[in-house]
Amino acid sequence: GQQVMQIPQYQHVQEGEDFTTYCNSSTTLSNIQWYKQRPGGHPVFLIQLVKSGEVKKQKRLTFQFGEAKKNSSLHITATQTTDVGTYFCAGPLLWGDDKIIFGKGTRLHILP
Amino acid sequence: DTEVTQTPKHLVMGMTNKKSLKCEQHMGHRAMYWYKQKAKKPPELMFVYSYEKLSINESVPSRFSPECPNSSLLNLHLHALQPEDSALYLCASSQAGGKLFFGSGTQLSVL
Repeated sequence: GQQVMQIPQYQHVQEGEDFTTYCNSSTTLSNIQWYKQRPGGHPVFLIQLVKSGEVKKQKRLTFQFGEAKKNSSLHITATQTTDVGTYFCAGPLLWGDDKIIFGKGTRLHILP
Repeated sequence: DTEVTQTPKHLVMGMTNKKSLKCEQHMGHRAMYWYKQKAKKPPELMFVYSYEKLSINESVPSRFSPECPNSSLLNLHLHALQPEDSALYLCASSQAGGKLFFGSGTQLSVL
């Protein structure tokens, strides 16, 4: 069945350093979504990428969708303590499909 | 209103109890979801309702019984659960294949 792989599983960075998490799917995705879950919280939607090769920015966050629509990345520039949490990629296999599968997530820990 | 409301926030139940989790959204979303999340794991899809009809059941044991009384409400009825069913149960809603709006979850402990 379809799998969404995400690496690394954990990342410890000094405050101010950059951070990147990578997501790979075994099959082509119609779109990919990114979520952030703070410790003790629930997943919160960050962004959705739809087009091949798409790049979107939100302040210090940069999201990319691969040309083959099988991989994606989230890059955070100059991390802050508020960036702590687990970042998940997720996506449906088919456009309009309700079955949204999550990657295993990358847990980001910031060292002050 | 962009919220998904879940009750209760915490629930402790014995293996012989019957309880229900409730979820409500008023965003007009046609799809509603139940996810199960264990600590330090990703959300795991359980059920999806589309236009109030069960469209996806991810081979969930029958001790979990979903119900969608109307387009705004989603319930998860629990009966004869096992300790390994202890987890955070998340409700979410969305439009077709679109972003998921999650509730804050019910932290369930089965004793």
